[in-house]
Amino acid sequence: SAVISQKPSRDICQRGTSLTIQCQVDSQVTMMFWYRQQPGQSLTLIATANQGSEATYESGFVIDKFPISRPNLTFSTLTVSNMSPEDSSIYLCSVERGYGYTFGSGTRLTVV
Amino acid sequence: AQTVTQSQPEMSVQEAETVTLSCTYDTSESDYYLFWYKQPPSRQMILVIRQEAYKQQNATENRFSVNFQKAAKSFSLKISDSQLGDAAMYFCAYRSAGGATNKLIFGTGTLLAVQP
Repeated sequence: SAVISQKPSRDICQRGTSLTIQCQVDSQVTMMFWYRQQPGQSLTLIATANQGSEATYESGFVIDKFPISRPNLTFSTLTVSNMSPEDSSIYLCSVERGYGYTFGSGTRLTVV
Repeated sequence: AQTVTQSQPEMSVQEAETVTLSCTYDTSESDYYLFWYKQPPSRQMILVIRQEAYKQQNATENRFSVNFQKAAKSFSLKISDSQLGDAAMYFCAYRSAGGATNKLIFGTGTLLAVQP
C-alpha cells in the first residue's frame, strides 16, 4: 500500500490566520482526498484533488475557505483559511491504492 | 445519495471474547465496495477488511470477518478472540464501484473498549 507523509502533525493557530497542510505520497496517484474529522466525529470529505484540474468540493465546503493545490501526482496541500475555533479538527489526506485506501497520520489543528 | 449508518456509538467486550459491530447502508447501486477501518488513539486510519458487493462469500482476515447481507444492506464486523490492541474507533465505509470519483463515505463510528 502507499505511504503518505503528512505535515504538520499538529498545530495551534490564532483565529484569522491560515494553515497549510502537506501530503506527500511515495508513488504517483490520480486522486487525493482531503477529510475533516471534528472532535469525536466521523470523517467528512472536504474535496477530491486531481492533478492538473481544479479540486472537486463537497457540499458545505468552498474553495475560498479550503484552497487545495495539486502540483504533481505525488503531492497536495490543503489550506485552512481565516481560521475560527470551529475549524479545530483533525485533517487527513488519503489515496486509494490497491486493496483499499491509505491515510496520512493526520493534522490536529487547534484554533485559539 | 449513499449513506452509512452505525447504530452502536460504543461497545465493550472482554478480552478473548467475540464482538460484532453493526453497519447498514443505503444505496441504489448494485456494484460497490464496503470497508471497515480502525482508528486507534494514535488517529492513524487502518484498513481492517474489505468486501466487494459482487462476491457472495464473506471476507475474512484472521480474527476479523464480516457478515455481508446485500439484500438487507447490512455489513457487520465480527472480531473473534478480542485483544487489548483491538480497542479503537471502528468506521464502516462505502465506495461506489463506478462513477467519476471513488470517494469513501463513512459511518459515524463505533468506539470499542476491550476489558482485560
